[in-house]
Amino acid sequence: DAGVIQSPRHEVTEMGQEVTLRCKPISGHNSLFWYRQTMMRGLELLIYFNNNVPIDDSGMPEDRFSAKMPNASFSTLKIQPSEPRDSAVYFCASSLRGIAYNEQFFGPGTRLTVL
Amino acid sequence: GNSVTQMEGPVTLSEEAFLTINCTYTATGYPSLFWYVQYPGEGLQLLLKATKADDKGSNKGFEATYRKETTSFHLEKGSVQVSDSAVYFCALSENGNKLVFGAGTILRVKS
Repeated sequence: DAGVIQSPRHEVTEMGQEVTLRCKPISGHNSLFWYRQTMMRGLELLIYFNNNVPIDDSGMPEDRFSAKMPNASFSTLKIQPSEPRDSAVYFCASSLRGIAYNEQFFGPGTRLTVL
Repeated sequence: GNSVTQMEGPVTLSEEAFLTINCTYTATGYPSLFWYVQYPGEGLQLLLKATKADDKGSNKGFEATYRKETTSFHLEKGSVQVSDSAVYFCALSENGNKLVFGAGTILRVKS
């Protein structure tokens, strides 16, 4: 298996622009997680899905952030409009819900820079 | 709510030194405990886990024992290598799904 795939790996954009980050989870996994990592705040869970349904979005910082999972093999995280404080590394992870020790498999991340 | 506290880094060691990274947790029930490692420029990957009290997780020379009485899950390695330089995250899961991570500890190993 190719593991969790994220695209793009790097994104540089200007303040006010829309940004879309993409994730393909491991085939057969039914839980998907979006995280944000910064030096100041560490690793933060933004939202997670079970069977394509959003379960907990309490970590989504503002209405500018939205996430979708239209099917089991694809998810997007959108920021509109983007701001410099959104600059971070965004990780997607997937797991197989229902096992006792739910190992999460992380993608390589998307490094977002908002100028 | 559930939380994880790790020792602050960076931790700087010479090659072949003994490593301990402290981790304590707060949980309302009986969580599963994990250590994840993040190498430079990569995502996190599971290093080891323990699902119940007194379990010992081990992998690649690293060990951690689930201590319910002290609510701890300290990471140890007897002899570190330069290739162990990374960020280490302690985490817990109480409902079998969502993970709660600590702040991470940077480890630097000098040759």
